[in-house]
Amino acid sequence: EIVLTQSPATLSLSPGERATLSCRASQSVSSYLAWYQQKPGQAPRLLIYDASNRATGIPARFSGSGSGTDFTLTISSLEPEDLAVYYCQQRGNWPPTFGQGTKVEIK
Amino acid sequence: QVQLVESGGGVVQPGRSLRLSCEASGFTFRNYGMHWVRQAPAKGLEWLAVIWNDGNNKYYADSVKGRLTISRDNARNTLYLEMNSLRAEDTAVYYCARDIRDSGLDGIFDFWGQGALVTVSS
Repeated sequence: EIVLTQSPATLSLSPGERATLSCRASQSVSSYLAWYQQKPGQAPRLLIYDASNRATGIPARFSGSGSGTDFTLTISSLEPEDLAVYYCQQRGNWPPTFGQGTKVEIK
Repeated sequence: QVQLVESGGGVVQPGRSLRLSCEASGFTFRNYGMHWVRQAPAKGLEWLAVIWNDGNNKYYADSVKGRLTISRDNARNTLYLEMNSLRAEDTAVYYCARDIRDSGLDGIFDFWGQGALVTVSS
């Protein structure tokens, strides 16, 4: 089973700042990595799939990059509503697995 | 619009069974693979099981294999999760989620239900 390690555990930034979240896989998952946003009390929402493809309706300030074992989710200019936990998930090797999450706090 | 609505959660004693349902609307249910994912209190996400669109293939996480059964009724647009021999560590919010791919399976979860809370406690 592939282990995904996310860093940092918590990110505290001000509105308008750039957020960079990292996800590292224990072995290559090619480009088969997705990112989800989970706001407090809500279900997860798909943001990015296959490393860099934005899901339908996702704002352009969210972007993804990477391949192999190292991936990045970037929020170019933080909005107050981006307060959430962000999870990466791989589908390159069965079973699908998730990272432990990065909490984004807004100062 | 796509909607997934879970039901059947609640408090159950250790060792007992429970069945969750997930009613789907807003899309052609019989065309999509469906998954169950759970989240223990203040913890991360854990994928549990998947069923192909026609119900003929199913896969489970090793951690729950033999105790959980995923099934579906395409005539009723409903997904199920039968959970047996429940343990305290099964306490979690259980989400159903749609696979992104029409007539296939990609392992990407594009729509999620609101979740059903299952609490295993005596």
